Amino acid sequence: QSALTQPASVSGSPGQSITISCTGTNSDVVTYNLVSWYQQHPGKAPKLMIYEGIKRPSGVSSRFSGSKSGNTASLTISGLQAEDEADYYCCSYVGNSPWVFGGGTKLTVL
Amino acid sequence: EVQLVESGGGLAQPGRSLRLSCAASGFTFEDYAMHWVRQVPGKGLEWLSAITWDSANIAYADSVKGRFTISRDNAKNSLYLQMNSLRVEDTALYYCAKDISRLGVPIGGFEDWGQGTLVAVSS
Repeated sequence: QSALTQPASVSGSPGQSITISCTGTNSDVVTYNLVSWYQQHPGKAPKLMIYEGIKRPSGVSSRFSGSKSGNTASLTISGLQAEDEADYYCCSYVGNSPWVFGGGTKLTVL
Repeated sequence: EVQLVESGGGLAQPGRSLRLSCAASGFTFEDYAMHWVRQVPGKGLEWLSAITWDSANIAYADSVKGRFTISRDNAKNSLYLQMNSLRVEDTALYYCAKDISRLGVPIGGFEDWGQGTLVAVSS
């Protein structure tokens, strides 16, 4: 059973950069390169921030970027702003199920 | 403007059925794969099912395989989720989502989301 592991929480001060990791238990991340990232504010629907590992949908700030190293995908937010405080989820194609979400990471802007 | 509006949620007893609908507008519905994703309030997201633009390919999460059925009616710009043999653990907010890939293989970039419809399963 494939799974994606994210840290439960991360924090940073305004203006800083933070990185959220997403590690696959199998080789899904590196094999399929179909990781997406979502931002979710309380009471709101998720918002797509990154897809296919590194691509930004139209309208998403360039402060958000995606990367991959081995079987770990990462979301980096630079120039942290108060409005970035939210839950962040990664999602990857894993072939059999075939999509799975990570457990989510709560970002706190100090 | 893309709009996805889910409906059909409510209270159901364990073992009973519900049918969710998702009305789409603001884009060419027949060109896009669609997904259902759910979220237990206060918990994480769980992908449930996907259907390609032409209904030729369908996939399910193991947790709902054999109990839930996804379908679409492109003439009505609508997506459906038939949920049978409901369990208490199916209680969640159910979202429909549009894949970012047009006329191709869905890539799991869930570009647009509805606001969700709440399903509560309890005796």
